[in-house]
Amino acid sequence: AQSVAQPEDQVNVAEGNPLTVKCTYSVSGNPYLFWYVQYPNRGLQFLLKYITGDNLVKGSYGFEAEFNKSQTSFHLKKPSALVSDSALYFCAVRNYGGSQGNLIFGKGTKLSVKP
Amino acid sequence: DAMVIQNPRYQVTQFGKPVTLSCSQTLNHNVMYWYQQKSSQAPKLLFHYYDKDFNNEADTPDNFQSRRPNTSFCFLDIRSPGLGDAAMYLCATSRAGGLGETQYFGPGTRLLVL
Repeated sequence: AQSVAQPEDQVNVAEGNPLTVKCTYSVSGNPYLFWYVQYPNRGLQFLLKYITGDNLVKGSYGFEAEFNKSQTSFHLKKPSALVSDSALYFCAVRNYGGSQGNLIFGKGTKLSVKP
Repeated sequence: DAMVIQNPRYQVTQFGKPVTLSCSQTLNHNVMYWYQQKSSQAPKLLFHYYDKDFNNEADTPDNFQSRRPNTSFCFLDIRSPGLGDAAMYLCATSRAGGLGETQYFGPGTRLLVL
């Protein structure tokens, strides 16, 4: 079965420092991987996705993610964190075996950036 | 700006009283999805429409129904809400159904069941 794991419930970073939010996946075949961000009482905003090609994917708001096939990881990164980056981050993978539409989400990682 | 709109943003209903949540989109996307997100949990797909074709997830309760009268609108009907149905309901769209297609989410409707 396809699955996504986000091993950290919360990540704390000082403003200006680099941040990493971790994600590992388990799928059969080639993965389609996504990162979304959710601010309190809001919907999910798309940040970036990996389909194929370059392992380093650049997305919105200065975020990037690196696809690592050997480690089955897709960690989200940003060189310099902002207080406004504080939010809930979800990694997701597209489901091959089940419904065509289904995005399988990780449980989410709360990012807290302190001034 | 093209977008996904959900109304209302907050909905209060009574136990057992039918409720309808609405979603509209100006993206002209073929696919529309409904997700349920309970507190501190990941979103969970309930069902989706590819054009007029309805696709229900196997574990979606019968209490949840959906209608898509045209490309722009999609409705979520909860026939007899229970306390356990209190959640954020997220509507999303995608241009097509391919595995690499990005899903774009609306702001959500938070449902409270009294």
